[in-house]
Amino acid sequence: AQRVTQPEKLLSVFKGAPVELKCNYSYSGSPELFWYVQYSRQRLQLLLRHISRESIKGFTADLNKGETSFHLKKPFAQEEDSAMYYCALQTGANNLFFGTGTRLTVIP
Amino acid sequence: NAGVTQTPKFRVLKTGQSMTLLCAQDMNHEYMYWYRQDPGMGLRLIHYSVGEGTTAKGEVPDGYNVSRLKKQNFLLGLESAAPSQTSVYFCASSTANYGYTFGSGTRLTVV
Repeated sequence: AQRVTQPEKLLSVFKGAPVELKCNYSYSGSPELFWYVQYSRQRLQLLLRHISRESIKGFTADLNKGETSFHLKKPFAQEEDSAMYYCALQTGANNLFFGTGTRLTVIP
Repeated sequence: NAGVTQTPKFRVLKTGQSMTLLCAQDMNHEYMYWYRQDPGMGLRLIHYSVGEGTTAKGEVPDGYNVSRLKKQNFLLGLESAAPSQTSVYFCASSTANYGYTFGSGTRLTVV
């Protein structure tokens, strides 16, 4: 069965420090992975998807099939990055499974 | 372009009352979804629809019903609300080939 694991519920880093939000998945097929972000009192927004291989707001994520991971990274955290981050695995057009989320706090 | 619009934004119900949450999208998306968001549990899929007139159960469908009479609307109903249904409800829509677009959420409290 498919599963998405985000081991850290809370993560705090200082402004300017590197940040890594961990995501591991379990899926026997070819995974399609996403990161969604939810800023305070706002709706969930798509941050990035692995097949795009793009960098959004300085964040990147690389799919590592060997380690079944899709960790989200940013070299220098900013205060505006404080938010809830969800890793999600899509196994079909209408099957999107979310992790439990990591709340990132960037300390000034 | 409004994207995905949910109404109402907030609601307080008494146990046993019924209500309907409305989700409307103007992007001509085929797929629509209802999720609930609870602390420590992430988002869990309640029901979804792959097209007008079709619905299917998700991970946590009990206590909810849905209808998709028009392509742009997806309704979530609670026939007899229970305190366990206190949550934040998110609607989303998508095409087959891109990520989901979410609404701003409905915060429901059942007392």
